[in-house]
Amino acid sequence: EPEVTQTPSHQVTQMGQEVILRCVPISNHLYFYWYRQILGQKVEFLVSFYNNEISEKSEIFDDQFSVERPDGSNFTLKIRSTKLEDSAMYFCASRRVGSYEQYFGPGTRLTVT
Amino acid sequence: KQEVTQIPAALSVPEGENLVLNCSFTDSAIYNLQWFRQDPGKGLTSLLLIQSSQREQTSGRLNASLDKSSGRSTLYIAASQPGDSATYLCAVRRPRGWDDKIIFGKGTRLHILP
Repeated sequence: EPEVTQTPSHQVTQMGQEVILRCVPISNHLYFYWYRQILGQKVEFLVSFYNNEISEKSEIFDDQFSVERPDGSNFTLKIRSTKLEDSAMYFCASRRVGSYEQYFGPGTRLTVT
Repeated sequence: KQEVTQIPAALSVPEGENLVLNCSFTDSAIYNLQWFRQDPGKGLTSLLLIQSSQREQTSGRLNASLDKSSGRSTLYIAASQPGDSATYLCAVRRPRGWDDKIIFGKGTRLHILP
């Protein structure tokens, strides 16, 4: 069964560094999302992406964040200058046209030190 | 603003018991409701998705019900097993034409005692 994959599973970085989290959505899906979950907190929406542009973003998704679909398979989340409070589990999700069920990847645990 | 609440926050029950997890949401205008399972440090596994026009969905030992007008959903787990131990998340999506995000509850942490 097709699934969303994410790499790396765990990323440790120093405050102020740039990180890129990678996702490979399910191949026939055209809607892509990033969510994050700070330890002990709710899963929160960050951004949705369709047709090579951002559809919606939350107030969390400030100028430090960006998303890109650099090729036909990858979907990336970049954090330009990481802060301690960016430490969280980041989940990628995707869905196909005509269905509103989002499929989630296993997540990338980001630790900012 | 849509808020999703799950009660209880944690639950421990002996193996073999049937149990119910509760979810409530403040805005009844939803497109669908989804129950997820999350194992510690892991991703989200979708268990059941109920469209707003449906009353319930079943998958194996799991049954999810939806009462949209009262803003409530329950997840019923029959004959619980130690492997059911996980956090269960409830999430809703607003109607088509609105934003496309899923709004999550904080989850119920379930522990099945062998």
